[in-house]
Formats: sequence, structure tokens, C-alpha cells
Amino acid sequence: TQLLEQSPQFLSIQEGENLTVYCNSSSVFSSLQWYRQEPGEGPVLLVTVVTGGEVKKLKRLTFQFGDARKDSSLHITAAQTGDTGLYLCAGAEDNFNKFYFGSGTKLNVKP
Amino acid sequence: SAVISQKPSRDICQRGTSLTIQCQVDSQVTMMFWYRQQPGQSLTLIATANQGSEATYESGFVIDKFPISRPNLTFSTLTVSNMSPEDSSIYLCSVEEGEEGYTFGSGTRLTVV
Repeated sequence: TQLLEQSPQFLSIQEGENLTVYCNSSSVFSSLQWYRQEPGEGPVLLVTVVTGGEVKKLKRLTFQFGDARKDSSLHITAAQTGDTGLYLCAGAEDNFNKFYFGSGTKLNVKP
Repeated sequence: SAVISQKPSRDICQRGTSLTIQCQVDSQVTMMFWYRQQPGQSLTLIATANQGSEATYESGFVIDKFPISRPNLTFSTLTVSNMSPEDSSIYLCSVEEGEEGYTFGSGTRLTVV
């Protein structure tokens, strides 16, 4: 059973467009992380959010943690081809020690 | 961040055989984690490995099928035993670094024929 559901599952857009990826759960998380993974590599951490309602910005990426700490979103502004990859959210229910990963969103940004 | 060396990077194995995957970390870490990932899909946690104690397995994974060793604070192995084609997947080890998140090895792509 997947604790975290991501949507959309696949996303193919043109360079320059904006997009939002959602991560939803019925569970409350003490913290939530977003990762990006490229083929043949392990996932790489983008951000950690720990406070309900928290918003973090990383250049063109904006991350939000829901007020109830059950959901999160990742918004990318003016997508670039280098943003192509598999985006994964991961939540920890009680502490930082064990994270469960979402179902993943495969993003393809076309030139 | 920790640097993890994972090997082999890929292997093709006959059904019924076993494969041991190794992960070496360049620093001492308390907990190491083993994940399985179908290409392009999400990660499923197999087990958590602590040094000096038996690994803790997630639902659907058992020690007889996926024995894990953790002889010291920088090394761990995962064995995929009595393999079948359903075991074909990418296997990743990782360590947690608090708010720095998880650091992953580059993965082992296993194909069982």
C-alpha cells in the first residue's frame, strides 16, 4: 500500500511552461522531502519541509507543505530540459529515520 | 554528504541463484536502508540495517529471501536469494543524514533470466 500518492504520474511539457506536482496522503508526516532522480542514478534530495504551511523556494522550484502536514506540492516555473527526471516525495511519520516514498512523477521537458 | 559506493552496478543472473550487493560508505552511519525500484517507478523500502543487530524488514520482505549483513558502521550487504524473474529490479542502498535527507548509492540493476 502506497502511503503517498503523487499526481500526475506522467507529465510532458514544453520548455518555458510552468507545472505543479502534488503529493497526497491520509497520514500526517513529521517531515516531507522531495527528490529528483535521473536514469542510472540514485535520487538526490531537493528540499526538506517540516512545518505545516511551510513554503521553500529553490531557484525556479517552490515547495509547499500542507497546513495539516498530509500533503505537499512542487511547482516549477519556466521549466527547462534539465528539469527532466523522476520526482519523488518522501514522508516520515514520526522521525527522520525512516522515509516512505511516493508513487513518483515522471517529468519530460521538451526543447 | 556521505559518499556511497555500491556494487555491482548491474548483473544478469540465472534463476535459482543468489546475488550479494555491497554498499560501502565513506563515513560511519548508524542506519542504512535498502530499497527496491522498478525502472521509472518509486522506491519500496526492503529493510533497515543497524550495526550489531538484525535488520528490520518491511511488510512483504523476509530475511530468508533478502538476508542483510551489517558488520560495521560503514558497510552493508543485501543478498537476493533463490532469484526469479520477478526479482528483476534496481536495488539501492542509502543512509539518512537528518535534515540533509537520504544519500543513495547509484544502484544495482539486476536482471534475472
